[in-house]
Amino acid sequence: AQSVTQLDSQVPVFEEAPVELRCNYSSSVSVYLFWYVQYPNQGLQLLLKYLSGSTLVKGINGFEAEFNKSQTSFHLRKPSVHISDTAEYFCAVRIQGAQKLVFGQGTRLTINP
Amino acid sequence: NAGVMQNPRHLVRRRGQEARLRCSPVKGHSHVYWYRQLPEEGLKFMVYLQKENIIDESGMPKERFSAEFPKEGPSILRIQQVVRGDSAAYFCASSPPSQGGDTQYFGPGTRLTVL
Repeated sequence: AQSVTQLDSQVPVFEEAPVELRCNYSSSVSVYLFWYVQYPNQGLQLLLKYLSGSTLVKGINGFEAEFNKSQTSFHLRKPSVHISDTAEYFCAVRIQGAQKLVFGQGTRLTINP
Repeated sequence: NAGVMQNPRHLVRRRGQEARLRCSPVKGHSHVYWYRQLPEEGLKFMVYLQKENIIDESGMPKERFSAEFPKEGPSILRIQQVVRGDSAAYFCASSPPSQGGDTQYFGPGTRLTVL
């Protein structure tokens, strides 16, 4: 079975500071990796995904993530955050051949002015 | 282009009543997924359907829960005899057949409160 661990439940940062949200996964088979963002009282929006190819993936809103197979990680980064980035961020995996996403517990990113 | 639509957005039920949650996928999408988000937790997969077929229901509770995606009309998640533990946000996602599960487009969710 697959599992996803987001190591930080809450991350407070100051505006314009860099941020990294950590995600580790466990799987005995190859996986695809995703980051979703959830703004208050809304559904999930895809930020970026890794399917194959370059391990550095760029997404929307200035976010990027790097797939590290040896460390089974897919950390999300942004060099300079804005107040509007305040949201819940979810890391997810999908094993090849299956359709369902397995989500982590989420990380609440709070941006302070 | 309309995204995934879910209704109602908020639903209040008393214990023992039935809850029916509707999901209209993106036009042209024939794959629908239901996920449940309990308070302070991530989303948990419930069921994956294609038109008129349940493909994977490994995340569905064995009793009281059912899902359908008829040839015409929205997908329905039905919860019979609701209990307080069913209180959660229920999200529907859809994807086109060409992309499989690579990109799932999520709706805004239905927040179910059981009194």
